[in-house]
Amino acid sequence: NAGVTQTPKFQVLKTGQSMTLQCAQDMNHNSMYWYRQDPGMGLRLIYYSASEGTTDKGEVPNGYNVSRLNKREFSLRLESAAPSQTSVYFCASSEMRGYTEAFFGQGTRLTVV
Amino acid sequence: DAKTTQPTSMDCAEGRAANLPCNHSTISGNEYVYWYRQIHSQGPQYIIHGLKNNETNEMASLIITEDRKSSTLILPHATLRDTAVYYCIVLETGANSKLTFGKGITLSVRP
Repeated sequence: NAGVTQTPKFQVLKTGQSMTLQCAQDMNHNSMYWYRQDPGMGLRLIYYSASEGTTDKGEVPNGYNVSRLNKREFSLRLESAAPSQTSVYFCASSEMRGYTEAFFGQGTRLTVV
Repeated sequence: DAKTTQPTSMDCAEGRAANLPCNHSTISGNEYVYWYRQIHSQGPQYIIHGLKNNETNEMASLIITEDRKSSTLILPHATLRDTAVYYCIVLETGANSKLTFGKGITLSVRP
């Protein structure tokens, strides 16, 4: 039982490049989330998906797009990376929004140069 | 618009109880108190949550005041591995629920 798996673990991008961060959970959870964490800061919610087929913006959605591919997978896309998007990205899932604990992946450390 | 207030940091001796306070004076009736922690560079980890009754699990105890305006997370026998950032989060139930993190409190457990 792997829980929440994020790929890749590390990535360096040049400004203007695009990439997709992948997230998959094997707990049959309905809700999935993407956060970013800048040095010395708490986590900020980028996008979330309450259930398969739905997505909503969080606190800091600008510059990102998401796809809830199926119940297991929730991807985050940077269309044109900027240095301000250098951060650690965490994916999380929970059975149902607001009621149960969320499980987090180990993070993707992204550097945009 | 922070819903919770936590001290920036605290420390405790290994083997002693760590009592981490949190103020949430504007909490409403349908909001739960959740605690997560984040050990350096790892993803956050759920610890415990409660509505109004005190809760205990294998990791910690959660004491919520009767007026629900504050709570305390208790780690009964802190170890060096408990050194982490602890987040107190007030989370409403229902369709608009969002797990939102503040800056948390850094707990340092000293040998």
